[in-house]
Amino acid sequence: GNSVTQMEGPVTLSEEAFLTINCTYTATGYPSLFWYVQYPGEGLQLLLKATKADDKGSNKGFEATYRKETTSFHLEKGSVQVSDSAVYFCALSGGSGYSTLTFGKGTMLLVSP
Amino acid sequence: EPEVTQTPSHQVTQMGQEVILRCVPISNHLYFYWYRQILGQKVEFLVSFYNNEISEKSEIFDDQFSVERPDGSNFTLKIRSTKLEDSAMYFCAGSGGMVVYQETQYFGPGTRLLVL
Repeated sequence: GNSVTQMEGPVTLSEEAFLTINCTYTATGYPSLFWYVQYPGEGLQLLLKATKADDKGSNKGFEATYRKETTSFHLEKGSVQVSDSAVYFCALSGGSGYSTLTFGKGTMLLVSP
Repeated sequence: EPEVTQTPSHQVTQMGQEVILRCVPISNHLYFYWYRQILGQKVEFLVSFYNNEISEKSEIFDDQFSVERPDGSNFTLKIRSTKLEDSAMYFCAGSGGMVVYQETQYFGPGTRLLVL
């Protein structure tokens, strides 16, 4: 079945630091890949997505590239802000799981001024 | 921008009681989902719903759970006899489009259920 593995948190950074959150996946077929963000007290919001190999999703300065050869979808941002503090979830759909989303455990990001 | 809404935001219930969690998806969405997140754990899929019937369900979604879309706008999750381990945040989600596994799922803010 499908599975997603992402790095454990919390990740603690100073403002303007570079961010990488690693995500790897296992799936049959050609899944779509997503990053969702959950701000404190709120629901899940789509941050970015990629639906085929070598696609790059981007939004709000965040980027992730769908790498089929390494089954990865790492999230990066060049300069984080305090307002980026949240929990980030890597997820996939498709493959053997069809439309359902399979999530990683989430990575908490804490950015200090 | 249209949003998914969920009510109530918090629910406290006694073990063995029935609860109904309500969601109003975005109006032009076709696929509807329930997920849950036990505190500190990953978000888990429960059930998906399309064309007024369940299209997929997980092992978690046993006979104690049911879903329906009674009036074309609300989408409900019923737990017939709650257990302590049902305590979690429950998220409703919806998506549109026909290439469903590529579509973004839009999530509601969640209902936090506490079973005592």
